[in-house]
Amino acid sequence: GEDVEQSLFLSVREGDSSVINCTYTDSSSTYLYWYKQEPGAGLQLLTYIFSNMDMKQDQRLTVLLNKKDKHLSLRIADTQTGDSAIYFCAESGSGGYNKLIFGAGTRLAVHP
Amino acid sequence: EAGVAQSPRYKIIEKRQSVAFWCNPISGHATLYWYQQILGQGPKLLIQFQNNGVVDDSQLPKDRFSAERLKGVDSTLKIQPAKLEDSAVYLCASNQDGSTDTQYFGPGTRLTVL
Repeated sequence: GEDVEQSLFLSVREGDSSVINCTYTDSSSTYLYWYKQEPGAGLQLLTYIFSNMDMKQDQRLTVLLNKKDKHLSLRIADTQTGDSAIYFCAESGSGGYNKLIFGAGTRLAVHP
Repeated sequence: EAGVAQSPRYKIIEKRQSVAFWCNPISGHATLYWYQQILGQGPKLLIQFQNNGVVDDSQLPKDRFSAERLKGVDSTLKIQPAKLEDSAVYLCASNQDGSTDTQYFGPGTRLTVL
């Protein structure tokens, strides 16, 4: 079946790099996504990676994909207090209609 | 460009009551999704519409949940009767054609069932 696992909590110091990890099960996923959710808000797409890529960089964000191990990571460089939020990893499930399977989310806390 | 709109933002009801949520997707988006997000969990897809047709409702508890998108634009999700375990945030999302296109999420409706 389809499943996405994430660690639940990460605490980092302001200015350090944050690395949030995710494992997934569906090897047929075409895209893998990272969403950010701030308190009381909906989900905001941060970035995504196509399954035939190993890495994608977008400003402070770097996504690494290890398709063999079904492991995805999100690195945030120079983490700021405004990055404090819950980060969700999601895979596009099997089937043709882009059903997203989400992990439980990693709560990132940034402290001074 | 206006985002996905949802209302109400918050709703408190007692168990066995009925409740309805409304979603207006981004203009021109053919595909609309309803997700349920229970506290501490990731969103789970309840139902997906392509225009006004249902393409996936495999995880919708059909004995109490119903959804419609009659004109292929806005949508309502109803729960009748509500149970305590229905307390969650109900998120609506849309995208242009339901393929690998990005899904855009609304702010959600937080439902509390007492």
